[in-house]
Amino acid sequence: AQKITQTQPGMFVQEKEAVTLDCTYDTSDPSYGLFWYKQPSSGEMIFLIYQGSYDQQNATEGRYSLNFQKARKSANLVISASQLGDSAMYFCAMREGNNFNKFYFGSGTKLNVKP
Amino acid sequence: GAGVSQTPSNKVTEKGKYVELRCDPISGHTALYWYRQSLGQGPEFLIYFQGTGAADDSGLPNDRFFAVRPEGSVSTLKIQRTERGDSAVYLCASSLTGTPRWQTDTQYFGPGTRLTVL
Repeated sequence: AQKITQTQPGMFVQEKEAVTLDCTYDTSDPSYGLFWYKQPSSGEMIFLIYQGSYDQQNATEGRYSLNFQKARKSANLVISASQLGDSAMYFCAMREGNNFNKFYFGSGTKLNVKP
Repeated sequence: GAGVSQTPSNKVTEKGKYVELRCDPISGHTALYWYRQSLGQGPEFLIYFQGTGAADDSGLPNDRFFAVRPEGSVSTLKIQRTERGDSAVYLCASSLTGTPRWQTDTQYFGPGTRLTVL
């Protein structure tokens, strides 16, 4: 089974609007971390936000927030007030407590922000 | 400070040749990771180093792939007898310690090496 599933290959959003990128995960480990990375066309993976499985509150980092629904095993990324520079690939990733150093990535979502 | 750097940025080789890809991690980071990213996919884990030793090489696809980190800093990913299916972007990442401190041990990625095997 896929550890990380991103079902939206591509998304469009109007500049200044909010957008939600979906991510579901699969693990039996009670301890895990969920991450979102941005990959612009330059290729570098840029860390955006992290959510721990035991965190009580949803993570927020500036315009990024993570909608963590543990029972549904979903960790959607919400970008508020989209900017043209947000156009990129976005990857959801997970690390498990019993194998901490291995990241599992989803297949990504290509976000296009329209002016 | 400087991020993770990788050289070369692009490598074109012929089937059957040997290639080396280099990764220079963030200074002071003891953990180093290699990933392979095929077109349209997310990165796939290859190998993880803690210091000089390969702590987990379970992601290496076969024995044509090998990686070293002799002094605990720079790492080289080596691919023997390259095949067309090896064409991908090879990403390197480093983290401070590689120990389970989730947020402070975030992996920081380099820009990758795009390998094309003709």
